[in-house]
Amino acid sequence: NAGVTQTPKFRVLKTGQSMTLLCAQDMNHEYMYWYRQDPGMGLRLIHYSVGEGTTAKGEVPDGYNVSRLKKQNFLLGLESAAPSQTSVYFCASSPRTAYYGYTFGSGTRLTVV
Amino acid sequence: AQKVTQAQTEISVVEKEDVTLDCVYETRDTTYYLFWYKQPPSGELVFLIRRNSFDEQNEISGRYSWNFQKSTSSFNFTITASQVVDSAVYFCALSEPFDFNKFYFGSGTKLNVKP
Repeated sequence: NAGVTQTPKFRVLKTGQSMTLLCAQDMNHEYMYWYRQDPGMGLRLIHYSVGEGTTAKGEVPDGYNVSRLKKQNFLLGLESAAPSQTSVYFCASSPRTAYYGYTFGSGTRLTVV
Repeated sequence: AQKVTQAQTEISVVEKEDVTLDCVYETRDTTYYLFWYKQPPSGELVFLIRRNSFDEQNEISGRYSWNFQKSTSSFNFTITASQVVDSAVYFCALSEPFDFNKFYFGSGTKLNVKP
């Protein structure tokens, strides 16, 4: 059972470069989320999606874009990376409501130099 | 204001000691869910427990127990007879169903269990 798979696991970017983080889930979950984790700040929601073709902003959306063209995939894009985006990024999914909790991916550690 | 506060940044205990991780939350909803997640050194977040706001019964699962008190808006987590494998960062989280089911995470408590 794969659950939620994130690629890549590690990445180093130069300031101004762009990249896309891929999240794939095989549990037929409706909801998908992107969080970033920074020391002392817990996890903060970047963007989320409540279904295929829909996306919405979370708590810290600036500098990121997302797309959910297929139900199983949720992409997070950085158009022009900045050092402030150095973080660990987690993707998560849930069936419908938060009652079922999230299933998290293993995270992507991104460093912007 | 933070919706979920974990005031303990880091706790160190010796193996076999009991330890309690505090979680205080803030919400205006009458229906909400509270969660605890564990993040071991490997980095992945692992679901531990979910609690519905209407269910104030304490729960015990092996060495883990949770004390939910609506009167003080707290959802504390106790590990009895801690083990080295319990070393991890523990996150408390709140979900308000009205708000598209987003989670609000506390800043986490790092637990170090020393042999």
